[in-house]
Amino acid sequence: DTAVSQTPKYLVTQMGNDKSIKCEQNLGHDTMYWYKQDSKKFLKIMFSYNNKELIINETVPNRFSPKSPDKAHLNLHINSLELGDSAVYFCASSLVHSGTYNEQFFGPGTRLTVL
Amino acid sequence: GEDVEQSLFLSVREGDSSVINCTYTDSSSTYLYWYKQEPGAGLQLLTYIFSNMDMKQDQRLTVLLNKKDKHLSLRIADTQTGDSAIYFCATRGSASKIIFGSGTRLSIRP
Repeated sequence: DTAVSQTPKYLVTQMGNDKSIKCEQNLGHDTMYWYKQDSKKFLKIMFSYNNKELIINETVPNRFSPKSPDKAHLNLHINSLELGDSAVYFCASSLVHSGTYNEQFFGPGTRLTVL
Repeated sequence: GEDVEQSLFLSVREGDSSVINCTYTDSSSTYLYWYKQEPGAGLQLLTYIFSNMDMKQDQRLTVLLNKKDKHLSLRIADTQTGDSAIYFCATRGSASKIIFGSGTRLSIRP
């Protein structure tokens, strides 16, 4: 019954590899997000999709490519992993309406370690 | 650009009140939030306030908003060990994007 789930929870890989993180929400939300949280706990938005359409694309290297096959899923593919990509990646979802507070529901995070 | 700032650490004695402060730059922020992150978990919404309010109370939590100074605070009364966490201030502006602060790590002393 997890509302926002991510897989895997932990990911350890070598520099230069390509990896994917998956996210699914069963809340019926129309908007999904990827955030990166570094070792100092700073949280930065990377991407946001609304109804499968990319609406937020922050300054993120081209090596990061999000894909939203449907409203309930938002996956993150990372090419040519670098040491600086090590972080915890959080997926979140919300139902976006103007005039409401639009709570974001977060997944448990994926801890990525690049060696 | 939009920015949200918080102090990084706060230590309080169990039973005392905790006050976590936040300043922001986007004057068009419609909603302002406090999220809580416990160790090894994602963020959870604790409370929020609409920009036309200056105070909101919810049990042990009191949110104060000073729009003129762009200052938001969260007061936790009777702080308990279970309140140990990182608290993120966040604002929602005209772009419907939420900007998070750096988080304040609250630790509780016995």
